[in-house]
Amino acid sequence: EDKVVQSPLSLVVHEGDTVTLNCSYEVTNFRSLLWYKQEKKAPTFLFMLTSSGIEKKSGRLSSILDKKELSSILNITATQTGDSAIYLCAVRLNNAGGTSYGKLTFGQGTILTVHP
Amino acid sequence: DVKVTQSSRYLVKRTGEKVFLECVQDMDHENMFWYRQDPGLGLRLIYFSYDVKMKEKGDIPEGYSVSREKKERFSLILESASTNQTSMYLCASSTPFAGAYEQYFGPGTRLTVT
Repeated sequence: EDKVVQSPLSLVVHEGDTVTLNCSYEVTNFRSLLWYKQEKKAPTFLFMLTSSGIEKKSGRLSSILDKKELSSILNITATQTGDSAIYLCAVRLNNAGGTSYGKLTFGQGTILTVHP
Repeated sequence: DVKVTQSSRYLVKRTGEKVFLECVQDMDHENMFWYRQDPGLGLRLIYFSYDVKMKEKGDIPEGYSVSREKKERFSLILESASTNQTSMYLCASSTPFAGAYEQYFGPGTRLTVT
């Protein structure tokens, strides 16, 4: 059974702290790993990672994939209260026929709370 | 910008009622998905569709059905709502164009079954 596990499940920090969120996966036919941020409404896309060791960066957020360790981390530096959200990790698989129609398997999510 | 809309933000239904949740996307995406989101369980895929009238079961299809008569619209149907279907329901769409496949989500419908 394909599995995506995130840790920690929740995290409380103060503004200015740096946080690292973890995502590990046990899946067959890995294609890519995606990170989403979910505030009160719809999850919004952050990063897609397909190659090991290549960091993706957007402002204070960065992420990297380690295919050997079957994991990814999402770093947030100098956290702000606006970073409070649920962070979702998802893995896209290939079907045996080579296509997956974009189907994703999600982890449980990490709830990040940033206090002023 | 891609826009995915869902017919209701909040819905309260009684046990045994038939419930329709509607999702519309405006980007001509081929793929559409229905998830439910519960605390501690993340997003779980109920059904998805990769073309008009085509559908496939996800991980938790029991108690649900879907309909996709037009490319932009994907409906989730609870034939006889039960209290264990109280949840947040999220719709998403994606396209294989440029191999991206990132999913764009609607705002969600919080369904309460009493």
